[in-house]
Parts: sequence; structure tokens; C-alpha cells
Amino acid sequence: GQSLEQPSEVTAVEGAIVQINCTYQTSGFYGLSWYQQHDGGAPTFLSYNGLDGLEETGRFSSFLSRSDSYGYLLLQELQMKDSASYFCAVHQAGTALIFGKGTTLSVSS
Amino acid sequence: NAGVTQTPKFQVLKTGQSMTLQCAQDMNHNSMYWYRQDPGMGLRLIYYSASEGTTDKGEVPNGYNVSRLNKREFSLRLESAAPSQTSVYFCASSRARTDTQYFGPGTRLTVL
Repeated sequence: GQSLEQPSEVTAVEGAIVQINCTYQTSGFYGLSWYQQHDGGAPTFLSYNGLDGLEETGRFSSFLSRSDSYGYLLLQELQMKDSASYFCAVHQAGTALIFGKGTTLSVSS
Repeated sequence: NAGVTQTPKFQVLKTGQSMTLQCAQDMNHNSMYWYRQDPGMGLRLIYYSASEGTTDKGEVPNGYNVSRLNKREFSLRLESAAPSQTSVYFCASSRARTDTQYFGPGTRLTVL
């Protein structure tokens, strides 16, 4: 079968660094994406990893290790506006994206 | 470009009523999707259309039907609404089935 696991909640303070992990079990895997969703809004694409290693986009970075079936999203210099839900999603051959259940990040001052 | 649009934004139905949720995209994408989102359950795929003329079941297709009307439009129909279908419904599209998805603003549906 296939599964994605990510923590349900993470809390942090402004200016801190937070890492949201995602482990997956699936066949035909070829990439991992991350999406952000603010309360009441639609999910929006953040990053994609097709190869092992780190991808950096401003304050956000995403990492993938295929051998460990593991990835993470790293958010630096946290701001209040980063409070949102973050979803990892697996790209696999022959089907549509499979989304995790999401991690709710709460940033406090 | 409007991206992905959905109508209506809000809807209240009584049990047993039917309705169609509309979705359109202007990005010339081949693939389109319908998800439902419930608290703590993430995004669950209902149906998707990898390309015009094809549709496939997702994780939770029971109680729903879809129509890929043309390349731009993908509708979701509830034939006999049930309270368990109370949810937020998102439409999304992507260039290909395996590519980044772009989401519409959602339809908030309540079934009484």
C-alpha cells in the first residue's frame, strides 16, 4: 500500500527555525512536493524535490532522501504569516498526487 | 488569467437534494481534479481527469459523479446529498497528471 506520515501540529516562535518531516511508503515514487494552506484559503505550491538533496527558495528549503523515503520542509526566520497548514505530496507513476494529512504550524510572538 | 475558478463559493443543501459544482481553468492544463477537505483528514481525491475525455476514481468516489465537459471545465455532481458530504471541495488543475497542481478557492458545502 501507500502511506504518508507528517506531524499533525508544530509550534514555534517568530524568528525561529522549524522543520516539518514527511515519511512515505509508495511504489513508483519519483518526487515530493510541499503545499501551504492558510486558514480558509486554497493550497498553494511551495516546492518540489525530484532528486536527493536540498532545494532552497528564500526562507523555505525542502529536502529529499529517496533511500530513507523521507523528506522535510525547513522554514527559517519564521514570521506570523507563516502560520498555516503544510502538506507533503508524493508524485508517483500512473496516478495523481497523493497528499499527506497536513501539519498545522502555529507561530507565536 | 483567472487561474482555477469554482462556483458556487457556498452552498447549503437538504439531504437528498442534488447539485453540481462547477470548475474551470484558463491555463490550458490537461489534468483536472476534485478533492474534499475535512478537518484532520487532509485533501482526499474524489475523481480526476488526466486528460480530456478520461476520468478516474480517486480515494473517495462514492456518492459523486464527474464530467469533463471540455479541456477547460470539470464538474462534480452530488446526485443525492448526504450529511457526510458536508465538506470543503477544491478543484485543481495541472499541465500533466504528475505536475504541480493549482487550486481553486473552494466550495463550502453544508448538507442538512
